[in-house]
Amino acid sequence: GIQVEQSPPDLILQEGANSTLRCNFSDSVNNLQWFHQNPWGQLINLFYIPSGTKQNGRLSATTVATERYSLLYISSSQTTDSGVYFCAVVIKAAGNKLTFGGGTRVLVKP
Amino acid sequence: SAVISQKPSRDICQRGTSLTIQCQVDSQVTMMFWYRQQPGQSLTLIATANQGSEATYESGFVIDKFPISRPNLTFSTLTVSNMSPEDSSIYLCSVEFVVNTEAFFGQGTRLTVV
Repeated sequence: GIQVEQSPPDLILQEGANSTLRCNFSDSVNNLQWFHQNPWGQLINLFYIPSGTKQNGRLSATTVATERYSLLYISSSQTTDSGVYFCAVVIKAAGNKLTFGGGTRVLVKP
Repeated sequence: SAVISQKPSRDICQRGTSLTIQCQVDSQVTMMFWYRQQPGQSLTLIATANQGSEATYESGFVIDKFPISRPNLTFSTLTVSNMSPEDSSIYLCSVEFVVNTEAFFGQGTRLTVV
């Protein structure tokens, strides 16, 4: 079946630090998104990035579709960056279904 | 993007009862989906809500337990039937304006069954 693996599962950062989150997927994708789930459970769209590189403020993401992975970079982390980061993909061979990775739980300490 | 309103935002329900969750979008969308997120877990797709026809359920989810309606292009409901404590989860609706493009999520419904 479809596999979406995120690493690391947990990450503790000191405020101001940089970090990289990784998402590996098992097949060719039509769609790849990164989300941030805040402590209230709401999913915030970060990037829609089936391929290439995008940047939004302190966050950036890169997807290398041919090698089946995506990276999310957080620079100069802030306490408000705490929460769970999810990668989700739509695999070409599996129809229009968004499959989520297990998430990376991030805690930024002041 | 879209403004997606989910109601209720949270509820505490007695076992054996049912709860209907509403998802209203401020513009017409092509696709609507329902997800479940059990405590400490990732999101799992329950079903695709199809306008004017029966929803398409994923493996492990059945219509009798999770009946879904989608009467038009902006509204859908998910009912969690005959609830047990194992149904305690966050339920989220998701929309896509065009198939296989960016998905957007409602704020979720946090359900606790006692």
